[in-house]
Amino acid sequence: NAGVTQTPKFRVLKTGQSMTLLCAQDMNHEYMYWYRQDPGMGLRLIHYSVGEGTTAKGEVPDGYNVSRLKKQNFLLGLESAAPSQTSVYFCASNRPTDRASNQPQHFGDGTRLSIL
Amino acid sequence: DQQVKQNSPSLSVQEGRISILNCDYTNSMFDYFLWYKKYPAEGPTFLISISSIKDKNEDGRFTVFLNKSAKHLSLHIVPSQPGDSAVYFCAASLDRGSTLGRLYFGRGTQLTVWP
Repeated sequence: NAGVTQTPKFRVLKTGQSMTLLCAQDMNHEYMYWYRQDPGMGLRLIHYSVGEGTTAKGEVPDGYNVSRLKKQNFLLGLESAAPSQTSVYFCASNRPTDRASNQPQHFGDGTRLSIL
Repeated sequence: DQQVKQNSPSLSVQEGRISILNCDYTNSMFDYFLWYKKYPAEGPTFLISISSIKDKNEDGRFTVFLNKSAKHLSLHIVPSQPGDSAVYFCAASLDRGSTLGRLYFGRGTQLTVWP
């Protein structure tokens, strides 16, 4: 059971380059999230999706775009990378919560991205 | 503005003793709290949670206590083991009764358990 898989694990980019981070989950979860973690900081939400074809902005969305064309995949794009986007990016997924049960988010192992 | 605060960046405890990790929050609308554990080069893994309608939840060696009036929660690990050495994140959610469950994270506390 793979859970949440992120690719690539590491990447170095030059300023201005673009790239896409892929997140795939095999748990049939409706919700998916992209976070970034910077040194000495907690995880901050970039974008999230509550279902196929839907996305929404989180706490720090500027400079990023996302797409959820398939339920199991959530893509994070950097159109023009900047040094401030050097970070570790985590993807997570879960089922909807309700009053009867809370569904904790399951995380991937992260993508370490360096922008030179 | 940080709505979930972990004011101790690190904690060092001897094996076998109790580890107490603390977390404070500012938003009184948070109604669900979680603790995640993170090893280097891995993603956070869910450890234990507590609903705002409870003041304690226990799972094996791990117990989470919630004091709503003080807006404070703590994670107790008894007895502590070297394998518990990791970064622990406190997280809170506004949306237990809705369908999103967005999480707000603290900055984490590095726990080191020494033999």
